[in-house]
Amino acid sequence: SAVISQKPSRDICQRGTSLTIQCQVDSQVTMMFWYRQQPGQSLTLIATANQGSEATYESGFVIDKFPISRPNLTFSTLTVSNMSPEDSSIYLCSVAPGGLYNEQFFGPGTRLTVL
Amino acid sequence: AQSVTQLDSQVPVFEEAPVELRCNYSSSVSVYLFWYVQYPNQGLQLLLKYLSGSTLVKGINGFEAEFNKSQTSFHLRKPSVHISDTAEYFCAVSAKGAQKLVFGQGTRLTINP
Repeated sequence: SAVISQKPSRDICQRGTSLTIQCQVDSQVTMMFWYRQQPGQSLTLIATANQGSEATYESGFVIDKFPISRPNLTFSTLTVSNMSPEDSSIYLCSVAPGGLYNEQFFGPGTRLTVL
Repeated sequence: AQSVTQLDSQVPVFEEAPVELRCNYSSSVSVYLFWYVQYPNQGLQLLLKYLSGSTLVKGINGFEAEFNKSQTSFHLRKPSVHISDTAEYFCAVSAKGAQKLVFGQGTRLTINP
């Protein structure tokens, strides 16, 4: 298993600004994932962030809007850039320590409200 | 590509009653299947998973699920629910050998006293 923390836990931001969300894991993992959960919706994968390589973005998500850093095996950041009210969501990071079986462990999430 | 359909968006039940949350998936390749639970204002927690072997999988908190390949289903059951089971439940699928998890829309389980 893995214990994951995220900062901040919640934030209220103004339109047009950017917010960087941090994800810290208590063990080294190769694969980290960032998800978005819009109000009342399911989770949608934004990107996969493997250490030592560029993040891989899913359809509908672009690096300019959601830049990701993965400087080491225990840490990652997701930035939500030039925010609009439509970006109001919960953002979650997860890890797959087992790799092959895709059992993912999730952080508590960052609840973002954009005014 | 994989997809997941959770047939019920909300399921209200009385405490100590049995419950079944339905999940159907679509995939052209073999899959792994998961159920996650999200308690209010918390992240997701793995309830159980099917990787291979026995089609009846037991998880935490008294939940179990049965993989039915012919019906492409992975329904979640609990014989007697408690107030503390009130949460959102997500079914998820991934193709064997792939990294990506695809989630269903979620089922909100509400337990009434």
